[in-house]
Amino acid sequence: EAGVVQSPRYKIIEKKQPVAFWCNPISGHNTLYWYLQNLGQGPELLIRYENEEAVDDSQLPKDRFSAERLKGVDSTLKIQPAELGDSAVYLCASSSRAGGSYEQYFGPGTRLTVT
Amino acid sequence: GEDVEQSLFLSVREGDSSVINCTYTDSSSTYLYWYKQEPGAGLQLLTYIFSNMDMKQDQRLTVLLNKKDKHLSLRIADTQTGDSAIYFCAVRAAGNKLTFGGGTRVLVKP
Repeated sequence: EAGVVQSPRYKIIEKKQPVAFWCNPISGHNTLYWYLQNLGQGPELLIRYENEEAVDDSQLPKDRFSAERLKGVDSTLKIQPAELGDSAVYLCASSSRAGGSYEQYFGPGTRLTVT
Repeated sequence: GEDVEQSLFLSVREGDSSVINCTYTDSSSTYLYWYKQEPGAGLQLLTYIFSNMDMKQDQRLTVLLNKKDKHLSLRIADTQTGDSAIYFCAVRAAGNKLTFGGGTRVLVKP
C-alpha cells in the first residue's frame, strides 16, 4: 500500500513569491492534515480536513495561507506571498476512523526555503 | 491548550536500553503516540497506547503510561545504531487534535 505522497520534496523561492505544496493521502483515508514543522520542533497543525470540509483551520494564517481539498482526496496548500519566516518543513498526514485509534500517517514533507 | 514536554537529548550505548520520557497536561487525553523521525524524512508511527491502559509491549518497544502523573515513556530494548533518530510523543485530546512534544534526539554509540 502506498503511503502519503507529497511534492515537491524541496522548494527554494524568494520572499514575496507564491508557492504551492501537494499531498495525496493514503487511499481510503478521509481525514487529511497539514502540519508545519520548524527546525528542532515538533509538528504543529495548520489545518484538518474531514473529506472535503476544513473542520479545524484555527492555526492557519489566513492572510497568506490557503488550502483546498476539492474532491476529498488530494490537497494543495498555498502560501502567497511567502515570507522569510515561512522557511520550514510542511508535512501532510492522513488517517481513517477504522479501529478508533485514528493513527496519523505522515508523508516525507516538503522542505521550503525562503530567501 | 495541551502542553507536551520532552527532554532534548539522550545518549545510549548500543545494546543497552533507552528510555524516552514525555509529560503532558490534558487529563482528558485519549490516545498517546510515539513517532520516530529520521533525517530528511517524515514521522513514522512506532506505537500508541489508549488511556485506559498502563502498559503496552510491541517487540523491542514498551510504552508505560502513568495517568495520575500525566507521564508517558518509551523503552527501547537492545538499542541499535538504526534507532538513532528524533522521537516525538503526541497526545490526542478532544476534537481529534494531536499535540506533539518538541522531540528527543537519541544518539546510539557503538
